[in-house]
Amino acid sequence: GQSLEQPSEVTAVEGAIVQINCTYQTSGFYGLSWYQQHDGGAPTFLSYNALDGLEETGRFSSFLSRSDSYGYLLLQELQMKDSASYFCAVRPPGGRNRDDKIIFGKGTRLHILP
Amino acid sequence: DAGVIQSPRHEVTEMGQEVTLRCKPISGHDYLFWYRQTMMRGLELLIYFNNNVPIDDSGMPEDRFSAKMPNASFSTLKIQPSEPRDSAVYFCASRPGQGGSGANVLTFGAGSRLTVL
Repeated sequence: GQSLEQPSEVTAVEGAIVQINCTYQTSGFYGLSWYQQHDGGAPTFLSYNALDGLEETGRFSSFLSRSDSYGYLLLQELQMKDSASYFCAVRPPGGRNRDDKIIFGKGTRLHILP
Repeated sequence: DAGVIQSPRHEVTEMGQEVTLRCKPISGHDYLFWYRQTMMRGLELLIYFNNNVPIDDSGMPEDRFSAKMPNASFSTLKIQPSEPRDSAVYFCASRPGQGGSGANVLTFGAGSRLTVL
């Protein structure tokens, strides 16, 4: 089967660092992505890890460990505007073009306190 | 590019009525996806197309749902007849083909919020 597990909510303080974890149970996949969604808005792409290791993009970093079936999104110097839901996503394998779909975890709601 | 365009943004209808949601993907994107989002079930993939051909519709909940992509710039998701449990936000998303830059990046439309009374 294919499933992605994320905490439903995380709370952090403005200016701090927060890590949002994603564990997955799939038989293999092509990469781990992260998306951000503000209330009433659409998901927007944040980062993609094709290989194990850390990818850094400004205040946001994403990590992948295939051997541990685990990844995380790290947000530094938190700002109030970072209050949103964060989704991990993967492209699971399949046959005959069926490996092109992207499935999402249920999302982590990030609350930021002033 | 104006991004992925969806219409209508909001739709309120009564149970039993037909609902048609529309999507215009980003020009040049080979893949188009329809997702449904609810609090309980999160973002569910309903169906996706590659070069206008439906590839995987295993997420379509039942026969009341159908989707078409008559050309590269237009897709529809139809619900007939609609039921209250279909109330959700429906997102369309597109991305380039495997050889293009950003092949792993989905661009979402603003969504269509459907309420079935």
